[in-house]
Amino acid sequence: QVQLQESGPGLVKPSQTLSLTCTVSGGSISSGLYFWSWIRQHPGKGLEWIGYISYSGSTYYNPSLKSRVTISLDTSKNQFSLKLSSVTAADTAVYYCGRGAVTPRFDLWGQGTLVTVSS
Amino acid sequence: QAAVTQEPSVTVSAGATVTLTCASSTGAVTSGHYPYWLQQKPGQAPRTLISDIGNKYSWTPARFSGSLLGGKAALTLSGAQTEDEAEYYCLLSYSGVWVFGGGTKLTVL
Repeated sequence: QVQLQESGPGLVKPSQTLSLTCTVSGGSISSGLYFWSWIRQHPGKGLEWIGYISYSGSTYYNPSLKSRVTISLDTSKNQFSLKLSSVTAADTAVYYCGRGAVTPRFDLWGQGTLVTVSS
Repeated sequence: QAAVTQEPSVTVSAGATVTLTCASSTGAVTSGHYPYWLQQKPGQAPRTLISDIGNKYSWTPARFSGSLLGGKAALTLSGAQTEDEAEYYCLLSYSGVWVFGGGTKLTVL
């Protein structure tokens, strides 16, 4: 079955760019009408939608993060990625990648990875 | 940005039925908000339970159901079990912008 796994640096310095990758196993990222998502969870807090990229490469972002976020697909590696620029301590969170389809837009989630923003 | 409101905490007795609700700051929740419900247990990733008001996934226990109730999205748990103790999040779409509720901590006694 399809599984998702986040990876990337656990520590990022303020003002730098946070870069995470989600590796998809058990299925091809380019087969099917899928949407590939990122959400995050600040420590001890609720969930926040960051955005997603569709099978056609169209991107949809949370307006509050839109100026700093880029989500992209790498079909050759069966991965998709998240880049968040100009990070501050407020971006410290567990980041989850997920998969969905045209409907339902969300179904599977990765286990999450903690990213701490600190000098 | 719109706000989504859930009960902060709810307690239910094992075997009883409980309904969690999800309200929108913009008015009644409708099918156009495509309500989702996710369950998250401590230290775990969220798990999607309900999509598009009331559609279940293959892994969704039969005791969970979703609906629209009184202008809100609702998640009903019929016959609560101790393993259902978790945080439950509602997720609504606002013309393609998705907003999570603050979550409801469900305690099963």
